[in-house]
Order: sequence, then C-alpha cells, then structure tokens
Amino acid sequence: AQSVAQPEDQVNVAEGNPLTVKCTYSVSGNPYLFWYVQYPNRGLQFLLKYITGDNLVKGSYGFEAEFNKSQTSFHLKKPSALVSDSALYFCAVRDFGTDKLIFGTGTRLQVFP
Amino acid sequence: DGGITQSPKYLFRKEGQNVTLSCEQNLNHDAMYWYRQDPGQGLRLIYYSQIVNDFQKGDIAEGYSVSREKKESFPLTVTSAQKNPTAFYLCASSMGSMQETQYFGPGTRLLVL
Repeated sequence: AQSVAQPEDQVNVAEGNPLTVKCTYSVSGNPYLFWYVQYPNRGLQFLLKYITGDNLVKGSYGFEAEFNKSQTSFHLKKPSALVSDSALYFCAVRDFGTDKLIFGTGTRLQVFP
Repeated sequence: DGGITQSPKYLFRKEGQNVTLSCEQNLNHDAMYWYRQDPGQGLRLIYYSQIVNDFQKGDIAEGYSVSREKKESFPLTVTSAQKNPTAFYLCASSMGSMQETQYFGPGTRLLVL
C-alpha cells in the first residue's frame, strides 16, 4: 500500500531563516508526489509536484522540493521564511490503483518574526 | 481556491437529519473528489467520480452518498447513518489523469447541534 509520512507535527523557524518540512513516501513504482498548503479555515492550495525529470522542483511562493529516490523523501524547502508562510503543509502521493491522493497528517509551520 | 465553489461555508445538522453539501466547478475537469478532514488525521477520501454518472467509494464512504448528474457538480449528502459527521469537508477536481493536479474548494464545516 502506498503511504506518506510527515514526521514532524510542527516546525518552528525564525523569519529570514531557511525552512524544511519533511516528507517520506512508500510506493511501488515511480511516485507522483505533491505539496499543498492550508491556511486556517480554507481549502488546500497547490504548491508543487514531482512527476518525473529534475529532482529539484520549483513551485509557488518561492517554495521548492527535492525528490530523493534513495531516501524515499520529498522535503519541502524555502531559502528564507516569511511570517506569512505560517500554515499547515500537506505532502501527498498519488495512488495508482484509484487515482486518489493519499495525504500525510500535515505539518504546522510557525515562522516567528 | 480557483474555480471550485463549495456551499454553505458552515452547516449545522440536527440528530437524524440528512444534509447536502454543494460542490461546483467551472474548470471543465472530468474528475471530482470529496475528502473529510479531521484534526491530526490529514485528509481522507469519501467518494470520487472520474466521469459523469459514475462514482466510486473511497476509504470512508459509510454514511455518505453522492451523485454526478452533471460534469460541473458533485454534491455530497451526509446521512443520519454517519454517526460522527463533525468535520471539515473539502471538494476537489482534476483533469483526471494520474499526473494532473487536484485543485480544492474552500471547504464546508459541518457541525452537529
């Protein structure tokens, strides 16, 4: 069965510092991986995805993610955090059998001024 | 939140009552999905539809029903058989192929009176 894990419930970082939100996956075959962000009482906003090709994927709002096949990871990164980046972040993998997205439990990012 | 609308934003259900959540999209997407979000559990798939007049159960379909009579609409009914309906409900849509991104609506929060 395919799955994703987000090992950190919360990540705290100071504004201006680099941030990393971790995600590991377990799939049979090549994974289709996604990152979404959710602000309070709002829907999920798409940030970026990895389907194939370059292991470094660039997305919205200055975010990027690095696909690492040997470590089965797809960590979300940003060189310089903003207070406005504070939100709930979800990693997801596409299930090949049903087309559904399988989500991690989410990581709350808190950026302090 | 793009071209996906959900209504109402808040919904209150009385004991034994069926309630229907609306989801409409103007993105000409073939596939539509309903997810349930509970704190600390990520998102779980309730139902999905890859084409008009066809839909499949997701991981937690019990107590819910859907219809897909039009391409742009995918309403979800929470029946009285769903004993713990309090949650945030998110509708999503995509072009339908595995590589395509799912885009989410703003959500409906269902509360039980």
